[in-house]
Amino acid sequence: GAVVSQHPSRVICKSGTSVKIECRSLDFQATTMFWYRQFPKQSLMLMATSNEGSKATYEQGVEKDKFLINHASLTLSTLTVTSAHPEDSSFYICSAKGQTNYGYTFGSGTRLTVV
Amino acid sequence: GESVGLHLPTLSVQEGDNSIINCAYSNSASDYFIWYKQESGKGPQFIIDIRSNMDKRQGQRVTVLLNKTVKHLSLQIAATQPGDSAVYFCAENDQAGTALIFGKGTTLSVSS
Repeated sequence: GAVVSQHPSRVICKSGTSVKIECRSLDFQATTMFWYRQFPKQSLMLMATSNEGSKATYEQGVEKDKFLINHASLTLSTLTVTSAHPEDSSFYICSAKGQTNYGYTFGSGTRLTVV
Repeated sequence: GESVGLHLPTLSVQEGDNSIINCAYSNSASDYFIWYKQESGKGPQFIIDIRSNMDKRQGQRVTVLLNKTVKHLSLQIAATQPGDSAVYFCAENDQAGTALIFGKGTTLSVSS
């Protein structure tokens, strides 16, 4: 089946630094990738949608200059949290969709802790 | 606006019981619905999906029911096991037919 690899699984960074999270589709071409954020005991909140080769579309309230998304190939999307602050600490999850209308595959998530 | 919500935040059952987890959605244009299971510290795991042209779909020990009239979705788990303990989310595709929008989640706790 479709597999999405996300790493790192955990990262701790100092306040003010940047962190990059990678999301790779291993056995299919992901025309669209989605990035979600999940705070403890809450649901997944969509942050942005990215199509390969295009600029990402951000949800309302998500700062595009803070959460940089790159989707330069059909198998890789990255999310960079710039100038991270403790309030950015969260569980970040990517999802990839191939060329079929249905079929969303999720990564295993990245636990970001900003100290 | 679009939203997918859950009726009950927690559900506690005994091993062997049947579990029913409910979900209400607001977007009548949604045409695809998925149930996910999420264990602590992990990404969502696909359980079962259903398209809007169906009202019932069965998998192994799971059944999803869709009532488009009242915009209600449910997940039935037969013979619930301790390994089923997790948070369950319903999700729907949004008006653009691309991103999945998630509900609040129900925590299922199964005791032996």
